[in-house]
Amino acid sequence: ELKVEQNPLFLSMQEGKNYTIYCNYSTTSDRLYWYRQDPGKSLESLFVLLSNGAVKQEGRLMASLDTKARLSTLHITAAVHDLSATYFCAVDTAGGGADGLTFGKGTHLIIQP
Amino acid sequence: EAQVTQNPRYLITVTGKKLTVTCSQNMNHEYMSWYRQDPGLGLRQIYYSMNVEVTDKGDVPEGYKVSRKEKRNFPLILESPSPNQTSLYFCASSFEGASTDTQYFGPGTRLTVL
Repeated sequence: ELKVEQNPLFLSMQEGKNYTIYCNYSTTSDRLYWYRQDPGKSLESLFVLLSNGAVKQEGRLMASLDTKARLSTLHITAAVHDLSATYFCAVDTAGGGADGLTFGKGTHLIIQP
Repeated sequence: EAQVTQNPRYLITVTGKKLTVTCSQNMNHEYMSWYRQDPGLGLRQIYYSMNVEVTDKGDVPEGYKVSRKEKRNFPLILESPSPNQTSLYFCASSFEGASTDTQYFGPGTRLTVL
């Protein structure tokens, strides 16, 4: 069974600081997704990482994938309040008998002025 | 505007009263799926569909039914809702499949079963 673990689950940080969210998964997969969810809202796709070593950046967010370590990171640079949200990573369940994504529990990020 | 729509957005019902949550997408996507989101558990897949008349179970299908008679619609049916189905439900769609393409999520349906 594929397990996806995010760390930390809660993070409070100050504006201007850097931080990294980690996403570990338990079985082989070459595809990993990052989503953002604002309170009371739906999920918004941030990054799709489709191969080992993939790195994608959008504004102050950068995501990377190491398939050998089964690890993805979401790095926040010089955080601003607008980045406060819950961030989910998700891994495809290829080989698990179902076509779908297994999500981590999410990282609730609060960025304080 | 490309979007996934769900109705209703909020629903309070009682145990045993059949209900349907509709999902529709206007992007001509083949793949559609349903997830439920519960505090501390993240999102879990209920059912998915690779195309018209092709559906399959996800991780938590018990107590749910789906149908895919048209490409754009993928309703979620609760024949006899129970309180443990109180949750936030999301429909999602993509062109090829969950593992090959970015999924687009609907706005969510918050269901309370009393």
